[in-house]
Amino acid sequence: DGGITQSPKYLFRKEGQNVTLSCEQNLNHDAMYWYRQDPGQGLRLIYYSQIVNDFQKGDIAEGYSVSREKKESFPLTVTSAQKNPTAFYLCASSIGAGKGEQYFGPGTRLTVT
Amino acid sequence: GENVEQHPSTLSVQEGDSAVIKCTYSDSASNYFPWYKQELGKRPQLIIDIRSNVGEKKDQRIAVTLNKTAKHFSLHITETQPEDSAVYFCAASSEGGKLIFGQGTELSVKP
Repeated sequence: DGGITQSPKYLFRKEGQNVTLSCEQNLNHDAMYWYRQDPGQGLRLIYYSQIVNDFQKGDIAEGYSVSREKKESFPLTVTSAQKNPTAFYLCASSIGAGKGEQYFGPGTRLTVT
Repeated sequence: GENVEQHPSTLSVQEGDSAVIKCTYSDSASNYFPWYKQELGKRPQLIIDIRSNVGEKKDQRIAVTLNKTAKHFSLHITETQPEDSAVYFCAASSEGGKLIFGQGTELSVKP
């Protein structure tokens, strides 16, 4: 399944808490992406990174933050500023930005109550 | 901003029939158009893709057509089987190497 992993599979948090979702890949891919999936809305891009130590906002970056200190890791923090954080979060990677297939991780389902 | 519209949102066919899903995109600079299949509770997986220098591509029962002038592309599945039941997403490339995804089509193949 492509060598990209996300943990944990299910995550529960109380409102007002920050939470960090893990994404690791061993594919030697330069580009990594975070998407949010809600029912009936497809995949919406949160943040993406074309190379280590660089990242750009996607369409719905408000309330989220990321880091890219290592090529293989691209963690996503859902902050308390995110108004509606309950969702399914998918991480993906590709050889390079705009180059070839994006491989997806298994996803993390975050529930905030 | 860039946008991809996908239709229909749900599609129900009898086993053996064909299924067609259509997408339109807004960014005339888009040059890569993948299709992903997502089974319930699983990750999206690429099933076929097409680049803008090609008008049609086929892989066994699956084909994709692209009309650059009209800015639309379609997925065709022939001889559908129950295991084709899933949500299908189209996408179009955008600046910076991003993909813009359609809203998804839930395909149900009835035995």
